[in-house]
Amino acid sequence: EAGVTQSPTHLIKTRGQQATLRCSPISGHTSVYWYQQALGLGLQFLLWYDEGEERNRGNFPPRFSGRQFPNYSSELNVNALELEDSALYLCASSPSGGKYEKLFFGSGTQLSVL
Amino acid sequence: AQKVTQAQTEISVVEKEDVTLDCVYETRDTTYYLFWYKQPPSGELVFLIRRNSFDEQNEISGRYSWNFQKSTSSFNFTITASQVVDSAVYFCALSNRDDKIIFGKGTRLHILP
Repeated sequence: EAGVTQSPTHLIKTRGQQATLRCSPISGHTSVYWYQQALGLGLQFLLWYDEGEERNRGNFPPRFSGRQFPNYSSELNVNALELEDSALYLCASSPSGGKYEKLFFGSGTQLSVL
Repeated sequence: AQKVTQAQTEISVVEKEDVTLDCVYETRDTTYYLFWYKQPPSGELVFLIRRNSFDEQNEISGRYSWNFQKSTSSFNFTITASQVVDSAVYFCALSNRDDKIIFGKGTRLHILP
């Protein structure tokens, strides 16, 4: 069974550009979570999607947005990139919207903003 | 507000030593879940354990054990007879009714041969 897959593995952008990160959850999983892992800050919660709807978002500016498609895959968009957006972006999925369930993580997209 | 604190940023021990990773949490809810995840160098977090707030029984899985104490709001993780393959970043996490799972900043564990 395929795990959570994220693409691209690495992404290099310049300040002010837009970045699009993609995530495919494990087959049968309807919930997708996005986390930002910047150096020394642990995992910061970004967004949670379930059944195509945004269920919750963390304390990030509106230029961080995303969506979930009918096949439950998800996209994270970051507009007007800033240097401090450089981080590892992790996607995770779970079988349903239960917030108490364990998460299955992808290997992440390393975003570098120059 | 909910919060997870992992005070140990980095720990180094020699192989075969026991090591304990600390986790202290804050929440106003009576129903919550606690988790530990391992992040090896590959970057992909791997689930280790989940414990709900009504179950304070300690758990042992092979060389891993977890000590949950509500009185001190702690959920500590001990590796017995550590091995080089245990080298990773370990995250403690909390989930309550706020619809998001909050992670600590992680503890980087080095097991020296």
